[in-house]
Amino acid sequence: GESVGLHLPTLSVQEGDNSIINCAYSNSASDYFIWYKQESGKGPQFIIDIRSNMDKRQGQRVTVLLNKTVKHLSLQIAATQPGDSAVYFCAENPGTQGGSEKLVFGKGTKLTVNP
Amino acid sequence: ETGVTQTPRHLVMGMTNKKSLKCEQHLGHNAMYWYKQSAKKPLELMFVYNFKEQTENNSVPSRFSPECPNSSHLFLHLHTLQPEDSALYLCASSQGYSRYGYTFGSGTRLTVV
Repeated sequence: GESVGLHLPTLSVQEGDNSIINCAYSNSASDYFIWYKQESGKGPQFIIDIRSNMDKRQGQRVTVLLNKTVKHLSLQIAATQPGDSAVYFCAENPGTQGGSEKLVFGKGTKLTVNP
Repeated sequence: ETGVTQTPRHLVMGMTNKKSLKCEQHLGHNAMYWYKQSAKKPLELMFVYNFKEQTENNSVPSRFSPECPNSSHLFLHLHTLQPEDSALYLCASSQGYSRYGYTFGSGTRLTVV
């Protein structure tokens, strides 16, 4: 079955540095991807998304890159701030399967920003 | 607040207790979901409701019983749980089976003792 996974369970960076969080997915039919941020004590919050017809999308301080050839997704955070400390995980939409389209989530990478 | 409200935020219950988790959304969404989030595991989909009808039960044990009286409210009734059921239970909603992401609540941290 399809699965979404992350390369590293934890990532520690210095404040002001750029962060890169990676995600590998296995379903080549997936055509939509989302990055979520989950702070301690909160539910996951939408950060940025990308469709499979794109390879890059930029938001405010965040960029998502999609490499369909190797089924790899990454989230880049520029000038990382302490408030960016959280668990980040990706989700994929594998498309219509059995009449429903449900997101498949990865395990998450815990980002720690050191002052 | 994201527009999806879950209560209680924390719950400690014994294995013989019966309790209920509540989720409420005022986003006009018609699909609602229960997820279980355990340490070091991906989000596990438990139940899906669309327009109050359950459309998916992801092989969840019968000690978890969902209820969806209308498109804005979702409950998860708990009884005779096991310690391994301790986890963060997240509710989410979306417009239809939205391909464009879900809105999550803050979750209920459940501890079974």
